[in-house]
Amino acid sequence: NAGVTQTPKFQVLKTGQSMTLQCAQDMNHNSMYWYRQDPGMGLRLIYYSASEGTTDKGEVPNGYNVSRLNKREFSLRLESAAPSQTSVYFCASSDPGTGAGVVKNIQYFGAGTRLSVL
Amino acid sequence: LAKTTQPISMDSYEGQEVNITCSHNNIATNDYITWYQQFPSQGPRFIIQGYKTKVTNEVASLFIPADRKSSTLSLPRVSLSDTAVYYCLVGRFSGGYNKLIFGAGTRLAVHP
Repeated sequence: NAGVTQTPKFQVLKTGQSMTLQCAQDMNHNSMYWYRQDPGMGLRLIYYSASEGTTDKGEVPNGYNVSRLNKREFSLRLESAAPSQTSVYFCASSDPGTGAGVVKNIQYFGAGTRLSVL
Repeated sequence: LAKTTQPISMDSYEGQEVNITCSHNNIATNDYITWYQQFPSQGPRFIIQGYKTKVTNEVASLFIPADRKSSTLSLPRVSLSDTAVYYCLVGRFSGGYNKLIFGAGTRLAVHP
């Protein structure tokens, strides 16, 4: 059981280049998320997808687009990369955990993509 | 969304018990308190979750007073491998997704 898989693990871009970060989960979760984490900071939500076919903006969506390709896959696209987008990007998925005594809405994270924009 | 406040950093030694307290004064009735752990170069991972009173699992204990305005994560007998950043989150499932805010967390350094 792989959980949440992100590709690539590392990427270096030049300013103005575009790229797509891929994320796939095998836990049959409905909700998926993209976060960025800058050095010494917490995670900030970029976009999320509550279910297949829906996406919505988080705290810091500017400069990004997303696609929820199917239930398993949620991609993040940088159309014209900028140095300010240098960061570590994490994808996550969550399970609502319904029922008494069950932990609720736990997010499972991938290993991250380390992106540098020069 | 409830804002959380936790210490920026803590130091401890192997074998000691570590308690990290998180303040969340404006927690709402439907909010759960969840703690995540993040090792360097990894994504966060779930440690423990509670709503009120005390919760214990194989990794940690979570103490929540009756007013729920704070919570304390307790790590028994820490080891070097517990060196990580610990995040306290308060939120609920709404509109089809987790409304969660990750703050800067508490950097725990465990020394030999």
